[in-house]
Amino acid sequence: GAGVSQSPSNKVTEKGKDVELRCDPISGHTALYWYRQSLGQGLEFLIYFQGNSAPDKSGLPSDRFSAERTGGSVSTLTIQRTQQEDSAVYLCASSSDPTVREQYFGPGTRLTVT
Amino acid sequence: QKEVEQDPGPLSVPEGAIVSLNCTYSNSAFQYFMWYRQYSRKGPELLMYTYSSGNKEDGRFTAQVDKSSKYISLFIRDSQPSDSATYLCAMRNQAGTALIFGKGTTLSVSS
Repeated sequence: GAGVSQSPSNKVTEKGKDVELRCDPISGHTALYWYRQSLGQGLEFLIYFQGNSAPDKSGLPSDRFSAERTGGSVSTLTIQRTQQEDSAVYLCASSSDPTVREQYFGPGTRLTVT
Repeated sequence: QKEVEQDPGPLSVPEGAIVSLNCTYSNSAFQYFMWYRQYSRKGPELLMYTYSSGNKEDGRFTAQVDKSSKYISLFIRDSQPSDSATYLCAMRNQAGTALIFGKGTTLSVSS
């Protein structure tokens, strides 16, 4: 079956511009996560959506970052006024496991801020 | 001190070797421990998970958790060139809302 898909696969943007990254989770998965992976760093949790519950935004690094999930499916991560330190791979994962053990990751969006 | 520490390597071994990958953690409340494998330019994929202490075996892979030492390990027997990847340990956070990952260890298995 189809896995988690993300678009675009690569994004180059100028400092100060806004970007939107999209995630299509596996059909039927109620949980959706965004992570960031910077060079030499592990995966850094950003935000978590579970069903209709309020999202856990505790990992968002600043108020320039926001995310929404429409209709319990597709999610968009928005970064406003991008900075060079935002350059990273942004990974989305989904899960049908409420205990947060097994997450299925997409291939990521590689963001480069010039 | 970071919550999860993992030696980034790189680790290079010949084909057929036994590989040992390790992580330490600081929060004794962690209960779920995972190992993910990530190939270059791909998303991580789950290899194994373990609840609390003990061992778990799956084919050539064995995961061990020692909660008293806050130390987890992944052993790969009869390593293959296809095992060349980055291995990430992960633990579920206390809120149960996300995974906390180590930085990953890069493994290279030469034929």
